[in-house]
Amino acid sequence: DQQVKQNSPSLSVQEGRISILNCDYTNSMFDYFLWYKKYPAEGPTFLISISSIKDKNEDGRFTVFLNKSAKHLSLHIVPSQPGDSAVYFCAAPDNNAGNMLTFGGGTRLMVKP
Amino acid sequence: DSGVTQTPKHLITATGQRVTLRCSPRSGDLSVYWYQQSLDQGLQFLIQYYNGEERAKGNILERFSAQQFPDLHSELNLSSLELGDSALYFCASSANSYEQYFGPGTRLTVT
Repeated sequence: DQQVKQNSPSLSVQEGRISILNCDYTNSMFDYFLWYKKYPAEGPTFLISISSIKDKNEDGRFTVFLNKSAKHLSLHIVPSQPGDSAVYFCAAPDNNAGNMLTFGGGTRLMVKP
Repeated sequence: DSGVTQTPKHLITATGQRVTLRCSPRSGDLSVYWYQQSLDQGLQFLIQYYNGEERAKGNILERFSAQQFPDLHSELNLSSLELGDSALYFCASSANSYEQYFGPGTRLTVT
């Protein structure tokens, strides 16, 4: 049972436009969410997070939105740059299991110049 | 650079063998997590240690074991290796927060 899902395996966007990456979760106990970016041959890099007491968190070009009633979060990248091309994972820590992260399957973002 | 180091970067071994993967967490981080990334399973949590003690266990096979030493580095031991164990193995460390910082991974190939 996938508790965190990213239904779009890939996304292609033109440089300068907005990239929107989506993530859905089923476990209503999740109260914190993280986005990681991963380049080939590297480990995931922490990007941005959001607590369930907020519905938006912004850091530069990156904004994460959380809709608790829909159990949905999204990552917006504006403007998108070619260097943003990577695989993006959403993840949620399990408070009952040492805060281990449950990851979505990832979305490969390609930003075209 | 996350501050988490993992060795070796690549490992090629035969079925039935045993290997040890090593991880050094960020300075001051007491928690170490191990994850496996295979093509069909995504990133899966294996096991967590906190200050030398096992804290949480995921879908870790009985053939796999880990430990965390007094200097806080951790080792993941994989034995009786099978072809299906070929994967990327990541270690992550954390202070008292939800954010985990990942190492560059060890790519294990079992032939």
